[in-house]
Amino acid sequence: DSGVTQTPKHLITATGQRVTLRCSPRSGDLSVYWYQQSLDQGLQFLIQYYNGEERAKGNILERFSAQQFPDLHSELNLSSLELGDSALYFCASSGSRADAYNEQFFGPGTRLTVL
Amino acid sequence: GQQLNQSPQSMFIQEGEDVSMNCTSSSIFNTWLWYKQDPGEGPVLLIALYKAGELTSNGRLTAQFGITRKDSFLNISASIPSDVGIYFCCWRNTGNQFYFGTGTSLTVIP
Repeated sequence: DSGVTQTPKHLITATGQRVTLRCSPRSGDLSVYWYQQSLDQGLQFLIQYYNGEERAKGNILERFSAQQFPDLHSELNLSSLELGDSALYFCASSGSRADAYNEQFFGPGTRLTVL
Repeated sequence: GQQLNQSPQSMFIQEGEDVSMNCTSSSIFNTWLWYKQDPGEGPVLLIALYKAGELTSNGRLTAQFGITRKDSFLNISASIPSDVGIYFCCWRNTGNQFYFGTGTSLTVIP
């Protein structure tokens, strides 16, 4: 158990819908990272937040957005869902520094299926 | 864009054999990370490399950061069944963005 929790574990929805994925980082970790893992694209970095502010942005679509709240939990919002958005979405957290010299601990992931 | 090649894509080996996999990139990076992912779980960091030429071990695992800063390899010695999984290389650029390789799927035959 990495200490990172993600909910829900599974999510099935229809095209055009909007969903919210939730992540709670390890106690004391200030950075949260979101990743998408699909069969054809592999593991893709989406976005990082550090202490409530966006720190780095990767291959995140405009239909997707994220935020980190004062209690440090984070949410990833996916809207106007398409079939190709079906994937595993991972959240990871790391410690007090904003850079990668802190190990990232990954959550168990949320499996999103868009029908 | 940045290109990262990870090879081999998959490996089937006998228990006790040594394993070697590597990643090469078209760009220079300051950080190389190696992760392992078990089925149904998130990746777990195995080894982190921060300096060109750095050689680091973690038990039966050894990884090196290439001198050119464009490549890295991971070796696993005396493989055991629990080594089964997907191994990813990962690097971070100066913009703190992370890129993962396509993964090497390892199967260990008892």
